[in-house]
Amino acid sequence: EVQLMETGGGLVQPGKSLKLTCATSGFTFSTAWMNWVRQSPEKGLEWIARIKPKSTNYATEYAESVKGRFTISRDDSKSSIYLQMNSLKEEDTATYYCTPFDYWGQGVMVTVSS
Amino acid sequence: DIVMTQGALPNPVPSGESVSITCRSSKSLLYSDGKTYLNWYLQRPGQSPQLLIYWMSTRASGVSDRFSGSGSGTDFTLKISGVEAEDVGVYYCQQGLEFPFTFGSGTKLEIK
Repeated sequence: EVQLMETGGGLVQPGKSLKLTCATSGFTFSTAWMNWVRQSPEKGLEWIARIKPKSTNYATEYAESVKGRFTISRDDSKSSIYLQMNSLKEEDTATYYCTPFDYWGQGVMVTVSS
Repeated sequence: DIVMTQGALPNPVPSGESVSITCRSSKSLLYSDGKTYLNWYLQRPGQSPQLLIYWMSTRASGVSDRFSGSGSGTDFTLKISGVEAEDVGVYYCQQGLEFPFTFGSGTKLEIK
């Protein structure tokens, strides 16, 4: 059974940092192209980052809205991906999903508010 | 960025009726490898999105054959043949051709 579980969300003040973790199982993680997608009532579904497998030297791509503030990474030994979020803004408030698009986690809520 | 525009449904739809959900992209999603990089998802109430269709017309594993995808390079249709109660939710199209990947705003399906 495929499982993806996001953790690390919560309430954080603007300008602060937060790191999300997505632990996976049940599929071949090492060759998967993994993404972070967020969803908010204001913006709907928004793709924000992708990381490719080791064979591509872990190539990454980011949406302009998070470029320079967020960093996606992976640990193949743990079948996990991460999202380091720095300089958080109120507009980063959303439910964050990790996904290779074939499968999705249940999501984790991030609220940025003073 | 590629803009994805979805149409609305005349909700609520009678159970057993067939419906078509439309999606239009601002740029052709047909790539040089012959594939059209258009995905369809269903997000049921309180759940995460679920992949239904990829490459415009290929059903994802375990998806009912009541769901079918078709289209051209810029105009796409998701057809649900005989809607059932479990089909309730919001349907999204998404382009996977170029960064940033973008989603439509969603089409809500309600059943009578």
